[in-house]
Amino acid sequence: QSALTQPPSASGSPGQSVTISCTGTSSDVGGYNFVSWYQQHPGKAPKLMIYEVSKRPSGVPDRFSGSKSGNTASLTVSGLQAEDEADYYCSSYAGSNNYVFGTGTKVTVL
Amino acid sequence: QLHLQASGPGLVKPSETLSLTCTVSGGSISSSSYYWGWIRQPPGKGLEWIGSIYYTGSTYYNPSLKSRVTISVDTSKNQFSLKLNSVTAADTAVYYCARHSEYTSSFDYWGQGALVTVSS
Repeated sequence: QSALTQPPSASGSPGQSVTISCTGTSSDVGGYNFVSWYQQHPGKAPKLMIYEVSKRPSGVPDRFSGSKSGNTASLTVSGLQAEDEADYYCSSYAGSNNYVFGTGTKVTVL
Repeated sequence: QLHLQASGPGLVKPSETLSLTCTVSGGSISSSSYYWGWIRQPPGKGLEWIGSIYYTGSTYYNPSLKSRVTISVDTSKNQFSLKLNSVTAADTAVYYCARHSEYTSSFDYWGQGALVTVSS
């Protein structure tokens, strides 16, 4: 299984929105509604931000939203704040109890 | 609040076996509907799922690592463990243990990570 493809970087000014894509295949992203997104600050463990494509765990601000179309999932961060600057990774169930992560996107708040 | 803590040697020689243990506190590793997994992250690179185990001992491994990986569980100690044999410098990474839901397939609780360096 190959890593899901994400853009290396994305940026936006405070208050703006940024959208990150996550492209896979029909065997992972396109085949299941089990896409999740993780935020990782430097030196820290990843934190779950979105699961099952668009659901937010308790405590995650509603500025974070997820969607999917075909083999591509997306994470949108609205109303960017300084603390949103981090690396973001998508992940998808890939069948047969396998999981695959994305290549990661560094989000910069300008 | 669930807490996961990975522990083990920080330095392993090439061709030897990497061994890590994840201790779970604040909850039972025998909880139904949850798997316990290992994920690694080489320095400056992305995340890679290594494998997962259910409290019954059922295991699932990344096909690319399957020949070298063994994950086991000790429910009496509320721990699960990772063994990766025949390591090379490419296995140098921060190794995370995490819980994931059988139903949502998302990793909702993560340990702090353990850096393992492969070097002679």
